[in-house]
Amino acid sequence: NAGVTQTPKFRVLKTGQSMTLLCAQDMNHEYMYWYRQDPGMGLRLIHYSVGEGTTAKGEVPDGYNVSRLKKQNFLLGLESAAPSQTSVYFCASSWKYEQYFGPGTRLTVT
Amino acid sequence: AQSVTQLDSQVPVFEEAPVELRCNYSSSVSVYLFWYVQYPNQGLQLLLKYLSGSTLVKGINGFEAEFNKSQTSFHLRKPSVHISDTAEYFCAVSFNQAGTALIFGKGTTLSVSS
Repeated sequence: NAGVTQTPKFRVLKTGQSMTLLCAQDMNHEYMYWYRQDPGMGLRLIHYSVGEGTTAKGEVPDGYNVSRLKKQNFLLGLESAAPSQTSVYFCASSWKYEQYFGPGTRLTVT
Repeated sequence: AQSVTQLDSQVPVFEEAPVELRCNYSSSVSVYLFWYVQYPNQGLQLLLKYLSGSTLVKGINGFEAEFNKSQTSFHLRKPSVHISDTAEYFCAVSFNQAGTALIFGKGTTLSVSS
């Protein structure tokens, strides 16, 4: 099992560009989450999904969109990147209570 | 609303010394509690969790934590640390309902030196 994988691992964007981060899990988990990690802030929830075809907003959803067309995939989109979105993005999945995290995507917006 | 406070942002210790990383939470309902570790440039790995039952929870790498409901705390301890324990540690809580997201503290950086 690969667990939770994230693509890409690193990315540099210019302000205004768009991109999509892909999260995939092979554990047949119902629940998936996107967090961002900033120095001194811990991890904050961006969006989450409780099942295929469903998504919901978390603590810091502005500037992001998500989709969960397939149970195993959870996509995070930035339509018009801003320097404030420079961060490390983590995806996680869970079956009940314990969340399993991917290795992260380090995004820099210049 | 739930919140998590990690009382120390940085904890420097010498190798083989004991360590305690402090975590307090605020919630009006029952919660589940977790400690995660993040090694440099890596993702998060679960150290231990409290869902119910015994308030003393043992985790991986010799770590343990004690749930204290009256003090709303979930402090992480290790009796003797190693250089390899140098990492960032996150305390997190969730509602006691399957699938709810985690609320994280801001993290504690544990630095172990020889």
